Amino acid sequence: AQSVTQLDSQVPVFEEAPVELRCNYSSSVSVYLFWYVQYPNQGLQLLLKYLSGSTLVKGINGFEAEFNKSQTSFHLRKPSVHISDTAEYFCAGSSASKIIFGSGTRLSIRP
Amino acid sequence: DTEVTQTPKHLVMGMTNKKSLKCEQHMGHRAMYWYKQKAKKPPELMFVYSYEKLSINESVPSRFSPECPNSSLLNLHLHALQPEDSALYLCASSPPGVDEQYFGPGTRLTVT
Repeated sequence: AQSVTQLDSQVPVFEEAPVELRCNYSSSVSVYLFWYVQYPNQGLQLLLKYLSGSTLVKGINGFEAEFNKSQTSFHLRKPSVHISDTAEYFCAGSSASKIIFGSGTRLSIRP
Repeated sequence: DTEVTQTPKHLVMGMTNKKSLKCEQHMGHRAMYWYKQKAKKPPELMFVYSYEKLSINESVPSRFSPECPNSSLLNLHLHALQPEDSALYLCASSPPGVDEQYFGPGTRLTVT
């Protein structure tokens, strides 16, 4: 089955600490992978994407992700988070003209 | 213009009403999408239009009727909705041959 799995439904982190949001994809999902962020009461914003090439992808707002084919993972990282990073983060992969979303990870930042 | 716009931002409707949601983009994207998102859940795909033709209907009830009048506009006509249809409705678009999608801010729909 086509699937994208986000292993953590919630991740609490202290401000200025590093964070990693985990994502694994099934091999049947195309290796076009994305991370989207959704701030409260807003739509989804594309953070970064992996289409091909370098496995380390840099996105907006200081986020980056690493594509790991052997582990079928695409984890999202930020070295130092801010209160403004509080949001829902969705990992996604494309398959047959559709985007398959993970269940989402809520990142909450503690001052 | 690098954004997807949606109107209205909020909509409250009764179960016997007819209303429409509107989505617009001027980025030259030829694929447009409707999603439904319930609280604390990922978006669920409803419809896909490719080059103004309906290409995917994810078995959505007929009380939801999509329309793509031209390459920049996408509508979702609503009729006889149920309270469980209350959700955030998101529109998205993507460039030709590219899988990434750009989302609008959504319409928050409440069915009373």
